[in-house]
Parts: sequence; structure tokens; C-alpha cells
Amino acid sequence: QVQLQESGPGLVKPSETLSLTCTVSGASISSYYWSWIRQSPGKGLEWVGFISPSGSTNYNPSLNSRVTMSVDTSKNHLSLRVTSVTAADTAVYYCARDSGRNNGMDVWGQGTTVTVSS
Amino acid sequence: QTVVTQEPSLTVSPGGTVTLTCASNTGAVTSDHFPDWLQQKPGQAPRTLIYNTNNKHSWTPARFSGSLFGGRAALTVSGVQFEDEAEYYCLLYSSSAHRIFGGGTKLTVL
Repeated sequence: QVQLQESGPGLVKPSETLSLTCTVSGASISSYYWSWIRQSPGKGLEWVGFISPSGSTNYNPSLNSRVTMSVDTSKNHLSLRVTSVTAADTAVYYCARDSGRNNGMDVWGQGTTVTVSS
Repeated sequence: QTVVTQEPSLTVSPGGTVTLTCASNTGAVTSDHFPDWLQQKPGQAPRTLIYNTNNKHSWTPARFSGSLFGGRAALTVSGVQFEDEAEYYCLLYSSSAHRIFGGGTKLTVL
């Protein structure tokens, strides 16, 4: 059974960098695509980007210049960094296994809440 | 920039049938957009019910079905149950492999 668990600081100050980790169990991180998705309070879902098994990335153009995704195969986890955060980055952040046309986003973490505030 | 539009809210009676739709401002939604449908209940992570237009996961109740109709993606729920009350999101894939969510449809069962 594949499980995902997001973690990170719940509070980040404006202009600083948000760093999150998604720990994957039950599957090899180097075998799948992985997406990050976020949801602002009371709002809809927003795709942040994905990272491929080879480590190539594809980001939402609205966030492209501030986002970096990476994987650590030794720890079987993926990471998300968002720089220069503002209150608009306050959201629940989810990681998901992204199988695209073959299976969609078929496994999701429970999400982690990040608040941007001084 | 692609914008994906869904009905903001729909109401259906238990046992009834309802169809949610998903449109794109760039033109007709086709199978090349590989539309997915996700369900999210309050306080929970989303889960994908339908992927690539009309494919179901093992956890997808049989009463949910996906299709393309009139240039839109559609999610039909036949024989609605109280437990189907939730937010439903459409997800499209762009030609550059970006994922684009619709704004969501709040489905109320009463």
C-alpha cells in the first residue's frame, strides 16, 4: 500500500522560503511522477508542478520562477521549495503520485497546512 | 492561459441523476485533455474518481461515470446518495503537460 506524508513548518514569514517534504512509503520514488498541489483556505485546487522519475520538472507558469522540486532517492522523499512567499501562498499543500493519463493522481497525502505570516 | 470552468454548485435529490460539466476557454475539451474527476469532502484530501475521460479506479462507485459531451467533459452520478455530497474538481492536461484544475462544483444532496 502506497502512502504519502507531507511535512514542514506550519508557519513561514513573508519573503522567506517555504520548504516541504513528502515521504513516500510502499513505492519507489524513482519509478513515478509526483505532483504538488495546493489549496488556499476556502478555495479550489491549484497544481504547483511535477517531477518525473528522471528528475525533470514541470511547473505551473504562475509559480515557475519561485518553485523548485527535487527528489532524494536515498530517503525516498520529494521536496518542494517556494521562495519569496506572501500571504497568497498560505494553503494546504498536498503531494500526489501522478500517473497522468494512465491512472491520474491515484495516491494523495493528507496535506500539510502552511501559513505565511509575520 | 487556460481557464477551466465548472458549475459552482448543483443540488440533487437522493436517488436522482446529476451531470457536472467541465469546459475550457481555449475550445472544446477532447480526449487529448485526458480529463480527470476528483472528489473532495470537507477536511479530507481529494481522491480521483475518474481518469482519462471515463476510466474508474477500484474505489470508484459504479454510479459515477465520465464522458465527453458537447465539447465538455462530464461527470454523471446516477442514483445519487447522501454520501456523494462533496466538492468535485475537473482536471485537464494541457499540451505542455501542465495540469489545470477547474474551480470545482459543490454538490448538495437534499
